[in-house]
Amino acid sequence: SQKIEQNSEALNIQEGKTATLTCNYTNYSPAYLQWYRQDPGRGPVFLLLIRENEKEKRKERLKVTFDTTLKQSLFHITASQPADSATYLCALNTGGFKTIFGAGTRLFVKA
Amino acid sequence: DVKVTQSSRYLVKRTGEKVFLECVQDMDHENMFWYRQDPGLGLRLIYFSYDVKMKEKGDIPEGYSVSREKKERFSLILESASTNQTSMYLCASSDRLSNQPQHFGDGTRLSIL
Repeated sequence: SQKIEQNSEALNIQEGKTATLTCNYTNYSPAYLQWYRQDPGRGPVFLLLIRENEKEKRKERLKVTFDTTLKQSLFHITASQPADSATYLCALNTGGFKTIFGAGTRLFVKA
Repeated sequence: DVKVTQSSRYLVKRTGEKVFLECVQDMDHENMFWYRQDPGLGLRLIYFSYDVKMKEKGDIPEGYSVSREKKERFSLILESASTNQTSMYLCASSDRLSNQPQHFGDGTRLSIL
């Protein structure tokens, strides 16, 4: 069955640097992949969606790439700020209405 | 803005009780979902519904049932609560197309004693 792997170790970076988070998946490539942000005690919030025929997608300081050969998506936050500290979840559609989520990577941005 | 409201933020129940978790969305979305979130396991889909009175099992439906009598409301029922159902429960909704993002409530932290 399709699985998603995100780095379970927290990522600590300095303010102003670029944060890069990784999402790897097994088996077949999904038609699209989504990234969400989750703050403690809150539900996930949708950030970006990238389709399999798109190599890269940008939204303000966020950039997502999708490499179907490597079965990997990278999520970048440029000029990171302490307010970017959160858990970031990768999600992919497995067909129909079902979406599977990764366990998330926790990001800490230090001032 | 889409709003998904879950009836309780925190809930404590006893083993064997029947527990109801309620979720309401205000954006006329066709699809609604129930997940549980446990540390290190991510979100796991319990049930989803793509229309009123329709429901589909997710990956971990055992011990749960759902009800969708109205489009805006999706209820999760723990038939006889057990301690291994202690978890964070998240409700979500999305528009009809499968590639639409899901909008989540802020969750119910349920403890079964």
